[in-house]
Amino acid sequence: KAGVTQTPRYLIKTRGQQVTLSCSPISGHRSVSWYQQTPGQGLQFLFEYFSETQRNKGNFPGRFSGRQFSNSRSEMNVSTLELGDSALYLCASSLGGSGTITDTQYFGPGTRLTVL
Amino acid sequence: AQSVSQHNHHVILSEAASLELGCNYSYGGTVNLFWYVQYPGQHLQLLLKYFSGDPLVKGIKGFEAEFIKSKFSFNLRKPSVQWSDTAEYFCAVNLIGRGSSNTGKLIFGQGTTLQVKP
Repeated sequence: KAGVTQTPRYLIKTRGQQVTLSCSPISGHRSVSWYQQTPGQGLQFLFEYFSETQRNKGNFPGRFSGRQFSNSRSEMNVSTLELGDSALYLCASSLGGSGTITDTQYFGPGTRLTVL
Repeated sequence: AQSVSQHNHHVILSEAASLELGCNYSYGGTVNLFWYVQYPGQHLQLLLKYFSGDPLVKGIKGFEAEFIKSKFSFNLRKPSVQWSDTAEYFCAVNLIGRGSSNTGKLIFGQGTTLQVKP
């Protein structure tokens, strides 16, 4: 079974631009979560989508948004990029489902975003 | 606010030494617990997980962890490390909300860098 895939793997943008990152979950997984990883803040939860609906959201500004499509693929968008947005953005997928207490997230390789 | 704390930020061991990495969390409700590993140049991989039942869980590559509910701890252990265990290790907690709903959110510790000398 193919793992979680993320595109692109590397991205360089300048301040003020916007960026869209893509994540394809493991086949059959319906939940997709996004995380930001930086040396200073570690791994921080951005948001989670299930059945095209955002179920949970972390403490990030509104510049960070996401969506999920009917095939469970997900995208996240960052508008008006700032230098501090430079990070590794990780996507994780899981089976999800309401009442699914025992759920395990599997991570993709990440997209390395550099903001100049 | 809920948090996860990993006590050791950088650990250096010689091959064959025993390993124990500490992890504590602050949340009074039901949790699922995980340890992930990130080898150099690779993505986060699941080492082991705890949902319920036997508090001693075994994972891949000879790792195990013990959940001590009274101490809010989930420490990772390995009796004899190898050079190939050099990596960064993350403890993560998944909070189970009211009505047994999974929040889909993992809270991570700061990570522990393990360096094993051959």
